[in-house]
Amino acid sequence: GQQLNQSPQSMFIQEGEDVSMNCTSSSIFNTWLWYKQEPGEGPVLLIALYKAGELTSNGRLTAQFGITRKDSFLNISASIPSDVGIYFCAGPMYSGGGADGLTFGKGTHLIIQP
Amino acid sequence: KAGVTQTPRYLIKTRGQQVTLSCSPISGHRSVSWYQQTPGQGLQFLFEYFSETQRNKGNFPGRFSGRQFSNSRSEMNVSTLELGDSALYLCASSQMDNTEAFFGQGTRLTVV
Repeated sequence: GQQLNQSPQSMFIQEGEDVSMNCTSSSIFNTWLWYKQEPGEGPVLLIALYKAGELTSNGRLTAQFGITRKDSFLNISASIPSDVGIYFCAGPMYSGGGADGLTFGKGTHLIIQP
Repeated sequence: KAGVTQTPRYLIKTRGQQVTLSCSPISGHRSVSWYQQTPGQGLQFLFEYFSETQRNKGNFPGRFSGRQFSNSRSEMNVSTLELGDSALYLCASSQMDNTEAFFGQGTRLTVV
């Protein structure tokens, strides 16, 4: 099945630093989604990407849909304490009759050190 | 606009019992999907409902089932609970298909 490989698994950074994470797949995706999940909460949609090469921003977050359609990147600039959480990439699975649901990466755990 | 609402937030059940979880989607959203989240397997797709019909199903045993009502509200049921069913169960809604999905806070199920 379609699997998403997300890296790094965790990041320990200082407040104010920029963050980069990525997601790759052996399969082509037509949509890439980035979510953030905080403890005890459900994932929150951050950015949705629909076209190869597309670059989309949401405040300090910027995500790109890779040209090969097999990868996507998420950057966070000037990190702040509330950026702490687990970031997931996701994409819809298809089996011929429309989207079957989302497949998720294992997540990148972002930790900000004081 | 209210978000996706899941009830209850927490549940403790005994092995062998059954459980029903509820989800109210965002107003106007017709697609409701369910996911299981565990530390080992991550987020995994259970099934999706659209207009009261199960449109897609993930790779889970038949003990996991669901339904959707005419007002788009959905329930999922797990019968004959096993210890391994302990997880965070998440409901997500979207307008037409389940690409851009918005999640609820989840129901934390613990099976003892």
